[in-house]
Amino acid sequence: AQKVTQAQTEISVVEKEDVTLDCVYETRDTTYYLFWYKQPPSGELVFLIRRNSFDEQNEISGRYSWNFQKSTSSFNFTITASQVVDSAVYFCALSEARGTSYDKVIFGPGTSLSVIP
Amino acid sequence: KAGVTQTPRYLIKTRGQQVTLSCSPISGHRSVSWYQQTPGQGLQFLFEYFSETQRNKGNFPGRFSGRQFSNSRSEMNVSTLELGDSALYLCASRVEDRSNYGYTFGSGTRLTVV
Repeated sequence: AQKVTQAQTEISVVEKEDVTLDCVYETRDTTYYLFWYKQPPSGELVFLIRRNSFDEQNEISGRYSWNFQKSTSSFNFTITASQVVDSAVYFCALSEARGTSYDKVIFGPGTSLSVIP
Repeated sequence: KAGVTQTPRYLIKTRGQQVTLSCSPISGHRSVSWYQQTPGQGLQFLFEYFSETQRNKGNFPGRFSGRQFSNSRSEMNVSTLELGDSALYLCASRVEDRSNYGYTFGSGTRLTVV
């Protein structure tokens, strides 16, 4: 069965600090997608990144970076030089392959990040 | 390009009533999924529709149902509302293209059952 664990329920950092959000997943499939979503107070889930199971390259997008390690089933997310606007709940998610498409997306419990000015 | 539109944004219903929520996906997206978000249970998958057929279903009672129309718009219905159905209901649409796979979510409908 597929499962996503985000052990950090809440994190508080002071503005400009770096912060890493942990994500550990479980799946028996060899083909799957991993995602990170951001949910600001307004409620809408905002897509941040998608990574397929065959691509273990790390990715950097501005202040955001992602570290995907299949050996430890982890897909961690780092925000460099955090800003107040980064305050939100962040969700890691997993979707397994099904035929020519993908199965439902399973979300982790989320990590609430507060960036203090 | 318009995003995923959910209506209404807020809804207050009485226990025992039924409710219908609407979702209009991004143009060209034929897959629509519904999620329930609560503080205690997090984001839980309700069901997914593709080409007017339910393709996947989560572990919710039969009071929760949905459908999809030929224009890909989707509705979900909850009958005999219970207090525990109070939640943010999120709709998401996606394309059936593995190279571009990912959900786009709507802003949600916040349902309060009193």
